[in-house]
Amino acid sequence: DIQMTQSPSSLSASVGDRVTITCRASQTISRYLNWYQQKPGKAPKLLIFAASILQRGVPSRFSGSGSGSDFTLTISSLQPEDFATYSCQQSYSTPPYTFGQGTKLEI
Amino acid sequence: EVQLVESGGGLIQPGGSLRLSCAASGFTFSYYNMNWVRHAPGKGLEWVAFISSGTTTTYYADSVKGRFTISRDDAKNSLYLQMNSLRDEDTAVYYCARETSYYESIGRTDLPYFDYWGQGTLVTVSS
Repeated sequence: DIQMTQSPSSLSASVGDRVTITCRASQTISRYLNWYQQKPGKAPKLLIFAASILQRGVPSRFSGSGSGSDFTLTISSLQPEDFATYSCQQSYSTPPYTFGQGTKLEI
Repeated sequence: EVQLVESGGGLIQPGGSLRLSCAASGFTFSYYNMNWVRHAPGKGLEWVAFISSGTTTTYYADSVKGRFTISRDDAKNSLYLQMNSLRDEDTAVYYCARETSYYESIGRTDLPYFDYWGQGTLVTVSS
């Protein structure tokens, strides 16, 4: 199975900061990479699919890049509502659709 | 409006069984592949099971294979997860998620992702 490794596991930042989270796949997955945001007690929310396509309604301060096995999620200017846990997911070929372990973004 | 509403969670003893349900509305349920994902306390998201539209294909995480069964009833717009031989490590919030895909013309390929999620139902396995 494909393993997904995110870094860092946690991150402290301030409002207005630029933040980058990375996700590495154990093998090449082309652009089969999605990003989700999850707040405590809430369901995950899709942010980006196909590595770089912003889901409808997601603010443009979120962006994704990468292809192959290395990917990044960038938040250009942190807002108070962005403090959450972010997870990458690979959807290459048939399931299992593995997730990264998550990155907790804290103030 | 797309809605997914899970139910059926609760406290269950190790070795017991539970059946989760996910009621779908606001879209043509039969057209979509569906998945179950869980979130255990203090851990990351874990994909659990997949079922294709038409119910022809299912996949399971190794951690649940042989114990869990995913199914769907398109007439009732419902997704199910039958969980048997439950273990402490199955304790988690269980989410159903709709799968859709982006067609990338360059590679002529579909890139799946989960665009809608339910609110989750908590399963606690404990004696």
